[in-house]
Amino acid sequence: QKEVEQNSGPLSVPEGAIASLNCTYSDRGSQSFFWYRQYSGKSPELIMFIYSNGDKEDGRFTAQLNKASQYVSLLIRDSQPSDSATYLCAVSRGAQKLVFGQGTRLTINP
Amino acid sequence: DAGVIQSPRHEVTEMGQEVTLRCKPISGHDYLFWYRQTMMRGLELLIYFNNNVPIDDSGMPEDRFSAKMPNASFSTLKIQPSEPRDSAVYFCASSFKRQSYNEQFFGPGTRLTVL
Repeated sequence: QKEVEQNSGPLSVPEGAIASLNCTYSDRGSQSFFWYRQYSGKSPELIMFIYSNGDKEDGRFTAQLNKASQYVSLLIRDSQPSDSATYLCAVSRGAQKLVFGQGTRLTINP
Repeated sequence: DAGVIQSPRHEVTEMGQEVTLRCKPISGHDYLFWYRQTMMRGLELLIYFNNNVPIDDSGMPEDRFSAKMPNASFSTLKIQPSEPRDSAVYFCASSFKRQSYNEQFFGPGTRLTVL
């Protein structure tokens, strides 16, 4: 079992709809959870992080965490073509080290 | 402010040659990470440093790989001898420890092709 698992996609969503990206992790000692966005040919960039169970909203993005189910998700509301990218879920036990999932490729169709 | 700087951006070499990748972290950051990204294995942490000291090198694939950080503003990742399976994009990232979270800032990457 991989430490961090994501559906590789591709996930195709029409413009204006909600995109839902999911991630599960195996280490119950994990404390911090991150979502990075990576455009094709570019480097990853942090878009959201969450520590506590529940929802965290930032603009069109909402991160959701359920530690009991070991599940993290990212919702993107009012999806735009510029949101087309690969989204990487990353998990940390509290130290600086991150473990990344394989990433989900998201395509927003105009 | 300049972000993380990596050089070269592209490297094409032949099997058996030595390859050296370079990284300059963001000024003031005390953590530096080396990652490798391939389609098959995704983004893998190779090694990371804190205050120039290697903390965790468990991701280094084998003895052909070595990394150094002689000072706070420079690190190298060396592969000797290189093999075709080392072909990948190598990212360097840096961060500094905050109370709340640890955002890693990635460099543009070095695309390595070993023929």
